[in-house]
Amino acid sequence: SYELTQPPSVSVSPGQTARITCSGDALPKKYAYWFQQKSGQAPVLVIYEDNKRPSGIPERFSGSSSGTMATLTISGAQVDDESDYYCYSTDSSGNLRVFGGGTKLTVL
Amino acid sequence: EVQLVESGGGLVRPGGSLRLSCAASGFTFTNAWMTWVRQAPGKGLEWVGLIKTKTDGETTDYAAPVKGRFTISRDDSQNTLYLEMNSLKTEDSAVYYCSGNVLAYMDVWGEGTTVTVSS
Repeated sequence: SYELTQPPSVSVSPGQTARITCSGDALPKKYAYWFQQKSGQAPVLVIYEDNKRPSGIPERFSGSSSGTMATLTISGAQVDDESDYYCYSTDSSGNLRVFGGGTKLTVL
Repeated sequence: EVQLVESGGGLVRPGGSLRLSCAASGFTFTNAWMTWVRQAPGKGLEWVGLIKTKTDGETTDYAAPVKGRFTISRDDSQNTLYLEMNSLKTEDSAVYYCSGNVLAYMDVWGEGTTVTVSS
C-alpha cells in the first residue's frame, strides 16, 4: 500500500499565509494534486501537477514540491478558504492512486 | 456547461449489488479519463478506481479494498460512466463521486450519490 501524510489541522488568522504539507515516498517522481472540499460539497481541484492552477482558482493558491514533500500555500488566507484540503498522488508504479488523510484549514 | 451527474445510489443489504451511473455533458467524454472517488460519513476522500480512454486501451485500475468486487466501465456512445458494485459490505457505505479529466486531472466532479449498505 501507499500513503500520503497530511497534518490533521492548520489554523491561521485572516491575511496570513497558510501552508499545508503532504509527504509521500514517491513524490520526488510523481505529481501532487490538491483538492479543496467545503462542508457538504464536492471536491474542487485547486492545484495540479505540483504547481499549476486551474482556471478560476485565485492566485493566492500555489503549490510546490521538493523531495518527498508537496506543499499547498494559501497567501493571504481568507475566511472563505476554510475547508478540508486533500493531496492526491500515485505510488511509484503509477497504478495505485491515493488521497492524503485531509487537512482542516481554519481561518479566524 | 461541463457537468457530471451521478445516479443509482440507495439502500442495499450486505452482500448485495448496485450499479452507479455518471452522465457526462459539455465536454468530449471519449477523451477523458474517468475516476470514482468515495467518502464515508465523516471521513476523508478515498480513491476507488479509474478507467482510461479507448485510445489508451480503456484499462482500469482499482483500490485494494474494492478490487475483485467493483467494476468500472464506460459507454462512450452514451457519454456515461458506470460503477458496478458486488458483494457489498457495510464499509462500502459512502457518497460516491465521479470525476473527469477535462482540462486537467480530475478537474470536473459530480455532486455525488449516496450508497448505504445496511441490513
